[in-house]
Amino acid sequence: GENVEQHPSTLSVQEGDSAVIKCTYSDSASNYFPWYKQELGKRPQLIIDIRSNVGEKKDQRIAVTLNKTAKHFSLHITETQPEDSAVYFCAASKLTNAGKSTFGDGTTLTVKP
Amino acid sequence: AAGVIQSPRHLIKEKRETATLKCYPIPRHDTVYWYQQGPGQDPQFLISFYEKMQSDKGSIPDRFSAQQFSDYHSELNMSSLELGDSALYFCASSPGVSKNIQYFGAGTRLSVL
Repeated sequence: GENVEQHPSTLSVQEGDSAVIKCTYSDSASNYFPWYKQELGKRPQLIIDIRSNVGEKKDQRIAVTLNKTAKHFSLHITETQPEDSAVYFCAASKLTNAGKSTFGDGTTLTVKP
Repeated sequence: AAGVIQSPRHLIKEKRETATLKCYPIPRHDTVYWYQQGPGQDPQFLISFYEKMQSDKGSIPDRFSAQQFSDYHSELNMSSLELGDSALYFCASSPGVSKNIQYFGAGTRLSVL
């Protein structure tokens, strides 16, 4: 089955700095890679996703890159703000009927004012 | 916009009791996923349904069962509850068929005493 590894487990940055979270996956058949932001006790919220036919996607301060050959993908947050503080999960899945998501272990991001 | 509705939001049970968690997907979503998230852990996939049929199965204990009904809502039935079953249980839904972007419900917090 799929195995997703995520690094780092914790990340602390100053407000305004950039944050980068990296994930690797094992199943070359995975073709959909969402990123979720989860605040304490709340639901995972999809913040950005990328499909395997695309190498990079950007949405305002958030960008995701995908290297299919190396089987890794990264989340980049620029100009971080205190409200970006949360746990971020990467995931990998296949775009098939009811394709389950395999999550990374999560990264706790703290943005210091 | 309508979101995924889960009920109840909180549930307290004793060991060896049973519990039923309900999930109402976003209208016109035909796929439902169940995840279990322990404290400080990533969501673990339990089971999914597409068009009322079980589609994929993850780390769901034999004590648990689930189904999807004709109106696409789903129920997770948990029997012989153990202390280790205490967790957040998330339901997610997606439109299915190559569009399995998953939208999460607010979760049910189950506490087994």
